[in-house]
Amino acid sequence: DTEVTQTPKHLVMGMTNKKSLKCEQHMGHRAMYWYKQKAKKPPELMFVYSYEKLSINESVPSRFSPECPNSSLLNLHLHALQPEDSALYLCASSQGRQPNQPQHFGDGTRLSIL
Amino acid sequence: AQTVTQSQPEMSVQEAETVTLSCTYDTSESDYYLFWYKQPPSRQMILVIRQEAYKQQNATENRFSVNFQKAAKSFSLKISDSQLGDAAMYFCAYRSLSGNTGKLIFGQGTTLQVKP
Repeated sequence: DTEVTQTPKHLVMGMTNKKSLKCEQHMGHRAMYWYKQKAKKPPELMFVYSYEKLSINESVPSRFSPECPNSSLLNLHLHALQPEDSALYLCASSQGRQPNQPQHFGDGTRLSIL
Repeated sequence: AQTVTQSQPEMSVQEAETVTLSCTYDTSESDYYLFWYKQPPSRQMILVIRQEAYKQQNATENRFSVNFQKAAKSFSLKISDSQLGDAAMYFCAYRSLSGNTGKLIFGQGTTLQVKP
């Protein structure tokens, strides 16, 4: 069982819809991450939160809006997405951002844009 | 900038046998961390093993071990006594000590098939 829980597991939305992806962890981790992964490709980092503050935005389009309401929860708000945004979105957490602290991943949300 | 290369897009192994997955990387740093992650069809990325660059001893986790050759910038993963559950995509990843960004740099992945 994964210790990082992502909901929903699957999401289909139109280009004009607004939806949110949710990620939750109860391991006391203070760093949380969003990744985008296309089929048969490695994950690509989108955002990093450290102590509930956004520390890295990898030049992600503004149609993706992250939010970290508390230390256990990370959201990704979606609006006016494009078909090329269809992908697996993975959330991860780590105790901190130090390199010796491995990232723990969730099962991901499979997003399809119609 | 650091890069990670996995030159084997696909590998296959017979159940109970041993397989080695290759990974090379490029960096000018002397200290860093290296990881192998496994991603089965269930999608979750699972940490298999990690290696600290300043440690010469190769990391081992049960049936999984690495051959870390720092001078050659090589970090291969050996899976012994392969099991059907080992079938997955395997990613090699690099993590720098500088900047403390938490950023992982992944290779392109190797899909491992385990034949019964």
